[in-house]
Amino acid sequence: KQEVTQIPAALSVPEGENLVLNCSFTDSAIYNLQWFRQDPGKGLTSLLLIQSSQREQTSGRLNASLDKSSGRSTLYIAASQPGDSATYLCAVMQDSGGYQKVTFGIGTKLQVIP
Amino acid sequence: EAQVTQNPRYLITVTGKKLTVTCSQNMNHEYMSWYRQDPGLGLRQIYYSMNVEVTDKGDVPEGYKVSRKEKRNFPLILESPSPNQTSLYFCASKRTANTEAFFGQGTRLTVV
Repeated sequence: KQEVTQIPAALSVPEGENLVLNCSFTDSAIYNLQWFRQDPGKGLTSLLLIQSSQREQTSGRLNASLDKSSGRSTLYIAASQPGDSATYLCAVMQDSGGYQKVTFGIGTKLQVIP
Repeated sequence: EAQVTQNPRYLITVTGKKLTVTCSQNMNHEYMSWYRQDPGLGLRQIYYSMNVEVTDKGDVPEGYKVSRKEKRNFPLILESPSPNQTSLYFCASKRTANTEAFFGQGTRLTVV
């Protein structure tokens, strides 16, 4: 059974700092991994999608890496801003017994202090 | 604007009273799915659909039904809601199973 773990559960940093969020998964047979942010009372916003054949993806100040063999992904946020404060979730997708299974981590709650 | 729309956003109901949460997407996506989000458990997949008339169970399908009669709509049906179905529900869609997922704003359901 796939398990997705995100460490740390919560993180508080001063504005301007670079930071790394971690996501690990137990079964490396995945199609892709996606990072989301979730703001209180709102839905999930897609940040980056990494296919299993890729090593990293970049969007603006965000860079996500994937090491499938070791079951790890990191989300790097450069020059953090107060607007980056949210909960960050990672999700892996795989074919499990013939159906398309998606497993989410519980998330890292990020607070960027002005 | 490309979006996934869920209705209602908030719902309080009583045990046993059938309800439907609607989900509609305007991106012509093939793949749609439903999740529930609970504190400490994260998001868990309830049902998904690969295309019209093709649906399958996720991790927690008990007590839920879905249908996919049209490509754009994927309603979630609770035939006899119970208090343990009190949760935050999300609908999502993707162009295909292996592409980026887009989420609705969520439906907060309370069953008393």
